Amino acid sequence: DTAVSQTPKYLVTQMGNDKSIKCEQNLGHDTMYWYKQDSKKFLKIMFSYNNKELIINETVPNRFSPKSPDKAHLNLHINSLELGDSAVYFCASSQGTGDTEAFFGQGTRLTVV
Amino acid sequence: GQSLEQPSEVTAVEGAIVQINCTYQTSGFYGLSWYQQHDGGAPTFLSYNALDGLEETGRFSSFLSRSDSYGYLLLQELQMKDSASYFCASREAGNNRKLIWGLGTSLAVNP
Repeated sequence: DTAVSQTPKYLVTQMGNDKSIKCEQNLGHDTMYWYKQDSKKFLKIMFSYNNKELIINETVPNRFSPKSPDKAHLNLHINSLELGDSAVYFCASSQGTGDTEAFFGQGTRLTVV
Repeated sequence: GQSLEQPSEVTAVEGAIVQINCTYQTSGFYGLSWYQQHDGGAPTFLSYNALDGLEETGRFSSFLSRSDSYGYLLLQELQMKDSASYFCASREAGNNRKLIWGLGTSLAVNP
C-alpha cells in the first residue's frame, strides 16, 4: 500500500487552464503539506494543513488553492496556469506539525506550455 | 531568518567515504534532518539529530554539533545507487515550526 499517493504523476497543460492535483495518505497522520520543487531542486513549502485546518500559507499566488476535505486528503487546485508554474509538486505528511520525519508522495510533474 | 547551507555538488568513487556538511542559522533549533532524493524520485527521510553526537544507521551516519551550528551526513562504502541529492532540513521556531530546507547536495558516485 502506498503511504502517500498523489495523482496525476504527469500533467501537461496549456497556459490559462485550471488543474487539480490530488493527494491521499493512509498513515493516519494529522499534518499534510504541499511543496513545490523547481528545476534547481529547491524545495519550497506552499501550504500545510493540520487536521483539515490551514496552518502554513506561504507567499504563493492566490491562483493556488488547497482543499482538505478530511485529514487524509489534501488537494491542490491551480487556476489560470502560467509558464512559471511548471515544476514538480510534492504532497507530504507527518504525524504532527512538529514531527521531524515527513513522508512524500511520488510527485506530480506539471508542465505548462 | 532561518537558513541552511550545504555544498552544491560532491563527487566520490565507489567504496569511498563522503561527508556532506550542513551549517545552519536559526532563530530556534529543533534538530537537523537529512533526506535523500534520487533523480525523478521523492525525498525520503534518512536521519534526525536532536542532540549533539553521531547517529548511525547502517552505512549512513549523521552528526550534529549545536554549539557550532553544524551537522554532517557521512556515507560509507559508497555504492553507485547512493548517487542522489541530499538535503538537510531543520524546523523553524514558532507555532507552525515548518521545515526549512537546504538547497541540496548532488552526490555523484563514480566507478
